[in-house]
Amino acid sequence: DVKVTQSSRYLVKRTGEKVFLECVQDMDHENMFWYRQDPGLGLRLIYFSYDVKMKEKGDIPEGYSVSREKKERFSLILESASTNQTSMYLCASSLGLLTGTYNEQFFGPGTRLTVL
Amino acid sequence: DAKTTQPNSMESNEEEPVHLPCNHSTISGTDYIHWYRQLPSQGPEYVIHGLTSNVNNRMASLAIAEDRKSSTLILHRATLRDAAVYYCILRAPHQGGKLIFGQGTELSVKP
Repeated sequence: DVKVTQSSRYLVKRTGEKVFLECVQDMDHENMFWYRQDPGLGLRLIYFSYDVKMKEKGDIPEGYSVSREKKERFSLILESASTNQTSMYLCASSLGLLTGTYNEQFFGPGTRLTVL
Repeated sequence: DAKTTQPNSMESNEEEPVHLPCNHSTISGTDYIHWYRQLPSQGPEYVIHGLTSNVNNRMASLAIAEDRKSSTLILHRATLRDAAVYYCILRAPHQGGKLIFGQGTELSVKP
């Protein structure tokens, strides 16, 4: 069974704290993604990575950074958490894109982050 | 990016077929049509995708209009476990692996 795991299901942090959200996949996928999901706004892409040490900004990268030191692990970092970063965070992975090939994304269960 | 329009919500009875519509009138010739669904308290999961021809898999069928301006996801016999938010997504080859989610259709299934 394919697996994308996220380090926590629920997390509570204080404003100003540095927060690390970890995502691990066991499918040897090249691509990894971080989304956040908010009521009324749907899923929005924060950052993605096509390879180790590579990263690309998504639609809402402000206030976030990422790290991909190993192929199986993609970390989302909130340098100084703020209350407007309270959200559900979802990680996903997929095989690398080949011309004419569609590779489905596999999602983790999500981390519900509350920033007080 | 081409946009999709879906009804906010739909209801179905258990064991009956469900037809979930999606309009995408600005679709370009190379955009693929994808469907994902999100069960309560879970991450989204892939359902099906297609380009021009109708597609079937073990989960569902995808019917694509001849002009490609609309498509319909068909669940042949809805079960209570099919209650979820269903997302219709267009993906262009130049977008790489990115998915752009809209609001989706919340499907409820009555026993």
